[in-house]
Amino acid sequence: EIVLTQSPATLSLSPGERATLSCRASQTVSSYVAWYQQKPGQSPRLLIYDASNRATGIPARFSGSGSGTDFTLTISSLEPEDFAVYYCQQRRAFGQGTKVEIK
Amino acid sequence: EVQLLESGGGLGQPGGSLRLSCAASGFSFRTYAMSWVRQAPGKGLEWVSIISGSGGSTYYADSVKGRFTISRDNSKNTLYLQMNSLRDEDTAVYYCARDARYSGSNPSTMVSWGQGTMVTVSS
Repeated sequence: EIVLTQSPATLSLSPGERATLSCRASQTVSSYVAWYQQKPGQSPRLLIYDASNRATGIPARFSGSGSGTDFTLTISSLEPEDFAVYYCQQRRAFGQGTKVEIK
Repeated sequence: EVQLLESGGGLGQPGGSLRLSCAASGFSFRTYAMSWVRQAPGKGLEWVSIISGSGGSTYYADSVKGRFTISRDNSKNTLYLQMNSLRDEDTAVYYCARDARYSGSNPSTMVSWGQGTMVTVSS
């Protein structure tokens, strides 16, 4: 059973700053890693699939990278609407989430 | 536009049953596997179950195996989750999600999500 560990749990940043979110798998996984954004009271939204492909309509400031056991979601310059919780997912497993909050 | 609309949530008693529905539109429903994913209050996401596009293959998380049954009616573009022997720990928002693939024993990418329906298990 794959376990995904996200870090940090909370990231406190200001608009315009760069956000780097990590997702580490307990064993080597395929590159079928997805990232989702969830805002309070809303359902999750797909951002990145297959580790590095942006979903339809996702701004270019969101990028994904990684392979093996280590995957990263980067937001190059935070917009006010980007403050949310982010989850990684691989097969049946979700990470516990990283909250990106306004500093 | 893809739309997924869950319904059927509410208050269920421990040991009782509830049936959730997810009405789909805006895509070829029978072409994609569908999953249920839940989120307990203040917690993260937990995958519950997946069903293939034809409905012929179903898979479950260990936490619900033997108690929940996923099914679909492709003629009605509707996904279901029959929840029996409810437990307190089943309290959560339940989301249906469209998979990127037709079939698989595991979800791949969950491309589209519904708005969720709240299930509360309490006596």
